[in-house]
Amino acid sequence: KQEVTQIPAALSVPEGENLVLNCSFTDSAIYNLQWFRQDPGKGLTSLLLIQSSQREQTSGRLNASLDKSSGRSTLYIAASQPGDSATYLCAVSLHQTGANNLFFGTGTRLTVIP
Amino acid sequence: DGGITQSPKYLFRKEGQNVTLSCEQNLNHDAMYWYRQDPGQGLRLIYYSQIVNDFQKGDIAEGYSVSREKKESFPLTVTSAQKNPTAFYLCASSPPDRGPSYEQYFGPGTRLTVT
Repeated sequence: KQEVTQIPAALSVPEGENLVLNCSFTDSAIYNLQWFRQDPGKGLTSLLLIQSSQREQTSGRLNASLDKSSGRSTLYIAASQPGDSATYLCAVSLHQTGANNLFFGTGTRLTVIP
Repeated sequence: DGGITQSPKYLFRKEGQNVTLSCEQNLNHDAMYWYRQDPGQGLRLIYYSQIVNDFQKGDIAEGYSVSREKKESFPLTVTSAQKNPTAFYLCASSPPDRGPSYEQYFGPGTRLTVT
């Protein structure tokens, strides 16, 4: 069974710093990997999706990389802002007869201090 | 506006009562999903449905039931058989699978408290 781990569980940084969040998974035969943001008591917002054939994706100040062979992905946030404070979740999918079932990590809770 | 709606946002029930959580989407997505989120744990899949009138159990289906009579709607019933029903429940949907670029979109969630 696919196991997804996110380290660290919590992270506090001063505003303006660049930071990296880590995600690792045990089965490298993934279909794709998604990074989500979750604000307290809210649903998930998709940030980036990396297909299994891709190495990285970028959106604004966010850059996600994927190394399938080592079972790792990183989410890089440049010039962090207080509004980036949230929990960041990583999820990988294994293609199963048309349904894209996601395996989630437990998340990294990020606090950006003004 | 297109999106996924879940109602209510907060739900309180007494132990032993069944309760139904609503999930509606107007994105014309074929597949819909229910997840449960507990503190310190990742989301876990309860049930999913790829098409109308068809659904499959996920990792933690015991004590839950679903129906998919319409493409737009995928209600989840938490029965009295569910041992620990208090949790945050998230509904998601996705378009037809046309390759690894396809992704899931999530609703705002329903927080269920059973006492």
